[in-house]
Amino acid sequence: KAGVTQTPRYLIKTRGQQVTLSCSPISGHRSVSWYQQTPGQGLQFLFEYFSETQRNKGNFPGRFSGRQFSNSRSEMNVSTLELGDSALYLCASSPRTSGVRSLETQYFGPGTRLLVL
Amino acid sequence: QKEVEQNSGPLSVPEGAIASLNCTYSDRGSQSFFWYRQYSGKSPELIMSIYSNGDKEDGRFTAQLNKASQYVSLLIRDSQPSDSATYLCASLPSSARQLTFGSGTQLTVLP
Repeated sequence: KAGVTQTPRYLIKTRGQQVTLSCSPISGHRSVSWYQQTPGQGLQFLFEYFSETQRNKGNFPGRFSGRQFSNSRSEMNVSTLELGDSALYLCASSPRTSGVRSLETQYFGPGTRLLVL
Repeated sequence: QKEVEQNSGPLSVPEGAIASLNCTYSDRGSQSFFWYRQYSGKSPELIMSIYSNGDKEDGRFTAQLNKASQYVSLLIRDSQPSDSATYLCASLPSSARQLTFGSGTQLTVLP
């Protein structure tokens, strides 16, 4: 079974631009979660989508948004990019939402490394 | 104060030794804890979960949880150079449905 895929793998943008990242979950997984990882703040939860609905949201500004399509693929958008948005953005998929069992079956993708200049 | 605290290291142990990784958490209501391993340039992978006080063993890995002391640890027995990675501790706070991660401990196992 193919793993979680993320595109693009690397991206360079300038301040003020917007960016869209894509995540394709493992086949059969309906939950997709997004995380931001930086050296300073570590790994932080952005949001989770399940069956095209946002189920959970972390403490990030409204510039960060996402959506999920009927095939469970998800996109994350960041508008008006800031230098501090430079990070590794990880998505993770799971067959189910909420609860520890969903976390035990959650698999991360390789990430998209975003550099904002 | 961060909700989940880890000693960032780096921690170096010789091959064959026991590596001990520690984590403390501030939310006393947290019930579930997870250890992830992240190799340099790779994504995290779950290696252990623990929900009850005491020890949980899986191969060379043992997770320990002490809710009274709000302390979680991961022991790696017979450490191998392939265990060299950053280990992330995460908790599921009582008030949230998403994980809170520590900053990670970088472990190096010396041949």
